[in-house]
Amino acid sequence: AQKVTQAQTEISVVEKEDVTLDCVYETRDTTYYLFWYKQPPSGELVFLIRRNSFDEQNEISGRYSWNFQKSTSSFNFTITASQVVDSAVYFCALSEGKAAGNKLTFGGGTRVLVKP
Amino acid sequence: DTEVTQTPKHLVMGMTNKKSLKCEQHMGHRAMYWYKQKAKKPPELMFVYSYEKLSINESVPSRFSPECPNSSLLNLHLHALQPEDSALYLCASSYRGREDNEQFFGPGTRLTVL
Repeated sequence: AQKVTQAQTEISVVEKEDVTLDCVYETRDTTYYLFWYKQPPSGELVFLIRRNSFDEQNEISGRYSWNFQKSTSSFNFTITASQVVDSAVYFCALSEGKAAGNKLTFGGGTRVLVKP
Repeated sequence: DTEVTQTPKHLVMGMTNKKSLKCEQHMGHRAMYWYKQKAKKPPELMFVYSYEKLSINESVPSRFSPECPNSSLLNLHLHALQPEDSALYLCASSYRGREDNEQFFGPGTRLTVL
């Protein structure tokens, strides 16, 4: 069975600090997809990124960057120069290649609090 | 139009009431989802519709009844709910019901059952 672990339940930083969110996953499949979502206090989950299991390239989008390492089954997310608007709960999620329909397995989430 | 809308935003109902949650998207997506999210927990999948047909039911109690009238609309009919059903109900859609399709979520309906 697939599983996603986000060991950090809450991280508090001061504005402009960098913050890294850890995500470790378990799956028996060779084809799978990893996602990151942001959930601000308003409640809506905002899609941030999708990564395919066969593409280990790291990615940078503005202040966001992602480090995918199959060898350690990790897909970590870094926010550089954090801002107050980054305060939210961040979820890592996994979808397997043979899943019926599109079933996402979510990690427990990491709450990020950025203080001014 | 790249959003998923949900109505109402908030709903308070008694255990004997019947109510419905509505979800709409106009992105041409053919897969739609209902999730339930309790406080400080991740979303839990309830139902998946693919091409207007129910493809996944995660053993949800029959007091929750989904309906997909067309490819843009998704309803969740509620009847005889329990206080423990109080939660944020999220709707999502994806291009198709494929595992590599990212899901786009609505803002949710915050449900309180008295």
